[in-house]
Amino acid sequence: GDSVTQMEGPVTLSEEAFLTINCTYTATGYPSLFWYVQYPGEGLQLLLKATKADDKGSNKGFEATYRKETTSFHLEKGSVQVSDSAVYFCALSDRNSGSARQLTFGSGTQLTVLP
Amino acid sequence: GAVVSQHPSRVICKSGTSVKIECRSLDFQATTMFWYRQFPKKSLMLMATSNEGSKATYEQGVEKDKFLINHASLTLSTLTVTSAHPEDSSFYICSATKNEQFFGPGTRLTVL
Repeated sequence: GDSVTQMEGPVTLSEEAFLTINCTYTATGYPSLFWYVQYPGEGLQLLLKATKADDKGSNKGFEATYRKETTSFHLEKGSVQVSDSAVYFCALSDRNSGSARQLTFGSGTQLTVLP
Repeated sequence: GAVVSQHPSRVICKSGTSVKIECRSLDFQATTMFWYRQFPKKSLMLMATSNEGSKATYEQGVEKDKFLINHASLTLSTLTVTSAHPEDSSFYICSATKNEQFFGPGTRLTVL
């Protein structure tokens, strides 16, 4: 079945440091890939996505490139801020359920950015 | 737009009682809602897919008689944990679909 493996946390960085959170996946088809972010006390929010190989998703300074050859979708940001502190989930969507596609999530990575 | 709410945010109950969790899409209609369960330091596990007006589709290993799902309208789905036991203690998250999945803030269930 489909699965997502992401870097275990927690990750603690100083402000303006470079961030990488690794994510690899296994899927039977051609999945779409996502990064979600969960701020304390809030629901998951879509951060960025990519729907096919070599696509790059980007948002709020975060980027991730869909690498089919390495089955990876690593999240990067060049200069993190304290406000980026949150839990980050990598996910893929490969199966359909009616009109909606189901998501398979990684275990989440807690990021703490110190001032 | 695309806000999903859950109620309650936290609930503590005694073993053997039933608990109902509501998931509402506040500003859009969602034909499909998903229910997830999240264990500490674990990923979100899909429990079931809830389609408005039809029976929910449960993932393998999820007891449908234990976790009752009702999706009576395009803006409301409910998850009832029946005869709850301490092992049912977890964080339950719903999502509603409108081109993409929008997630609720989750419900922390503690069964004593």
